[in-house]
Amino acid sequence: DGGITQSPKYLFRKEGQNVTLSCEQNLNHDAMYWYRQDPGQGLRLIYYSQIVNDFQKGDIAEGYSVSREKKESFPLTVTSAQKNPTAFYLCASSLSGGETQYFGPGTRLLVL
Amino acid sequence: GDSVTQMEGPVTLSEEAFLTINCTYTATGYPSLFWYVQYPGEGLQLLLKATKADDKGSNKGFEATYRKETTSFHLEKGSVQVSDSAVYFCALSDQTQGAQKLVFGQGTRLTINP
Repeated sequence: DGGITQSPKYLFRKEGQNVTLSCEQNLNHDAMYWYRQDPGQGLRLIYYSQIVNDFQKGDIAEGYSVSREKKESFPLTVTSAQKNPTAFYLCASSLSGGETQYFGPGTRLLVL
Repeated sequence: GDSVTQMEGPVTLSEEAFLTINCTYTATGYPSLFWYVQYPGEGLQLLLKATKADDKGSNKGFEATYRKETTSFHLEKGSVQVSDSAVYFCALSDQTQGAQKLVFGQGTRLTINP
């Protein structure tokens, strides 16, 4: 089945630690996105990538980093510079120039 | 910039009631409009979309019509079920620097009681 997978489902971060969230898709989509969701709020765009080896900052990129070395993979690193990382993180993908985005199941990040 | 405003939640209804969730938008161009649904602990699923004025999107008994004159895209369903309990997000597409991005409303939590 084609789709988007995210792992892990739950992730715990200690103070000062960097953690990496995985996002993989087998839909052959060129574009991929990372969103952050806080309780009672909509989704906010962290980073997006339209093509391999290229990515752009979204609205709340500070404290996060990404890479896009392969078409099917777009990992997100939450760095120690992100002071309030507790949230639900959602990855999405779309066809190049396509408006409809398809979402993964999400990763919930908690701080110990 | 572009923005989406949704009806404040939470919304609680009885089974078989009529549902309306209001959504209005502000955009400089002519965006496509979407409704996504999120079930507890899961990612978002596309529910329906409309790409131009007067288009009606529909799926699973839900409908929404793209109203350019009122800049609205209200979600409706004639008879809700307990399984419709979820959070509903209205969104618009925003093309910036060649990339299609989505701008989301804050979400409306819907609970259906049997």
